Amino acid sequence: AQKITQTQPGMFVQEKEAVTLDCTYDTSDPSYGLFWYKQPSSGEMIFLIYQGSYDQQNATEGRYSLNFQKARKSANLVISASQLGDSAMYFCAMRVGTQGGSEKLVFGKGTKLTVNP
Amino acid sequence: ETGVTQSPTHLIKTRGQQVTLRCSSQSGHNTVSWYQQALGQGPQFIFQYYREEENGRGNFPPRFSGLQFPNYSSELNVNALELDDSALYLCASSFRGGAKNIQYFGAGTRLSVL
Repeated sequence: AQKITQTQPGMFVQEKEAVTLDCTYDTSDPSYGLFWYKQPSSGEMIFLIYQGSYDQQNATEGRYSLNFQKARKSANLVISASQLGDSAMYFCAMRVGTQGGSEKLVFGKGTKLTVNP
Repeated sequence: ETGVTQSPTHLIKTRGQQVTLRCSSQSGHNTVSWYQQALGQGPQFIFQYYREEENGRGNFPPRFSGLQFPNYSSELNVNALELDDSALYLCASSFRGGAKNIQYFGAGTRLSVL
């Protein structure tokens, strides 16, 4: 079964410190994509970072980096130098194929990050 | 700003009614996906439209239906509303054929069924 597991319902971090949000995935497909999205209380799902299954290097986007460990099927998000505006829900997602030929995202349950001043 | 806009932002309906939600895609995108997000959960895939046809559906009943228009905008229709349909409905647009095929989301429509 294709599944995303986020085991941390909530995380706290001090402003300017780094934080790691955990994500493990399960799939038998050799080709897949892994995503992290941020969802503030307003509801919009904001794309942060992408890692392809064949990418040799870990993805980075500004203060975000993805620690991709293929053998362990993990794709942890690292946020460096946390800011108050980083407080939000964070979702890990995996792109999988469907019978109709489309590609859908399978999401985890999310981690609520709170950045303290 | 993702360039994906959804309307309305909030909606209140009663059980048994019908509702239509709308989504405008980001410029240059040819695919629209719809997701339902219940409170405290991650989004669940409803279906996807490409070239004005549905080409993938999640575990949702036929009373959930959709349309995609030539300008790639889309509608989600839900008939015979049930209380459990109360959720945030998210639309995402993407470009099929791109290397990463990233889905960009709108701000969602929050539907309450009373």
